[in-house]
Amino acid sequence: QQPVQSPQAVILREGEDAVINCSSSKALYSVHWYRQKHGEAPVFLMILLKGGEQKGHDKISASFNEKKQQSSLYLTASQLSYSGTYFCGTGLQGAQKLVFGQGTRLTINP
Amino acid sequence: GAVVSQHPSWVICKSGTSVKIECRSLDFQATTMFWYRQFPKQSLMLMATSNEGSKATYEQGVEKDKFLINHASLTLSTLTVTSAHPEDSSFYICSARDPGQGKAFFGQGTRLTVV
Repeated sequence: QQPVQSPQAVILREGEDAVINCSSSKALYSVHWYRQKHGEAPVFLMILLKGGEQKGHDKISASFNEKKQQSSLYLTASQLSYSGTYFCGTGLQGAQKLVFGQGTRLTINP
Repeated sequence: GAVVSQHPSWVICKSGTSVKIECRSLDFQATTMFWYRQFPKQSLMLMATSNEGSKATYEQGVEKDKFLINHASLTLSTLTVTSAHPEDSSFYICSARDPGQGKAFFGQGTRLTVV
């Protein structure tokens, strides 16, 4: 079953912050975050495993709330290069495949 | 450099013909690969899981005879769209997960246009 992402779209000015949420009705083992630019393949951002992980790189971080089966991606002081569509992919224990949310389109304006 | 390589990047074919798309994992052996389809401004929809040395596992609603998958080696999976029709036009992307880290790497994608 496809995870649900919110919001569907967000428009920011450069330097502003954004939060993208990903929720599932199933007990998740892992959550993967990707960014895709138009016409290109998705690019890996980070993976979070069950156990309540939080991690980050540069100004992008994410958390995984196991109880709520929810993950959030935090983009701090956004840059123009952050523009794109963000997808969360969810994995179940023992399963290799990932099921992706519908995506969140992020537009960063100067 | 690319960890998963997909070829071709784009293809235009006539209705009724078949098209083969290749997906190679370059840095690791992949017993399992995944094929996704993406329509404009939509999500990645999993079509099937390609299993090395055995039959692919198709998602509900995906026609097995239409989308033939072969995973003959630990580094190569192919997707053949048979008797292509204009409604098959889409962006097809393959993926493989790094056995050690669990990260999923995507190929560059193939844009198929059936005319």
